[in-house]
Amino acid sequence: QKEVEQDPGPLSVPEGAIVSLNCTYSNSAFQYFMWYRQYSRKGPELLMYTYSSGNKEDGRFTAQVDKSSKYISLFIRDSQPSDSATYLCAMRGNAGNMLTFGGGTRLMVKP
Amino acid sequence: EAGVTQFPSHSVIEKGQTVTLRCDPISGHDNLYWYRRVMGKEIKFLLHFVKESKQDESGMPNNRFLAERTGGTYSTLKVQPAELEDSGVYFCASSRQAGGTEAFFGQGTRLTVV
Repeated sequence: QKEVEQDPGPLSVPEGAIVSLNCTYSNSAFQYFMWYRQYSRKGPELLMYTYSSGNKEDGRFTAQVDKSSKYISLFIRDSQPSDSATYLCAMRGNAGNMLTFGGGTRLMVKP
Repeated sequence: EAGVTQFPSHSVIEKGQTVTLRCDPISGHDNLYWYRRVMGKEIKFLLHFVKESKQDESGMPNNRFLAERTGGTYSTLKVQPAELEDSGVYFCASSRQAGGTEAFFGQGTRLTVV
């Protein structure tokens, strides 16, 4: 079983839709939760990170962490064609510096 | 501020040959990480440098892989001899603080072993 599970998609939505991206994980030691966006042939770009449980908002993006369910989400409001990319979740524990990634979800926002 | 730069962007080599990948981190970032993604799999951690010292190399797959960071600046990752299963995208990332939580990634080097 993978430590971090992420639906690969693709997820296709119309422009302006609210997008929900999710990851589940099995390691209860994870405390830091990151979301990366990766365009084709580019490296992952950090969107936001949260520590432990709770919500964090940054513009059109909201990250949620539910540690009791081992479930994290990224919501994108008013989605734009430029949001079309692969979204990767990543996480790590308090100790160590290694990030554990999900496989990524490919998102397509159609005009 | 220049980002993390990786060279080359793409390399095609034959099985048994040697390849050296290079990563130039963001200036001032003491922490440097190597990750790789093989086809159909997740991005996996390889190792972590703090300045010139290897802090964690638990993700290095075998002794065919050698990473160095001379002088605590740029880093190289050598694969010798390369095998077919080494094909994938190798990412370098750097961060000012330890933990990798706010690490910046390079564009990756796509390695194809034929």
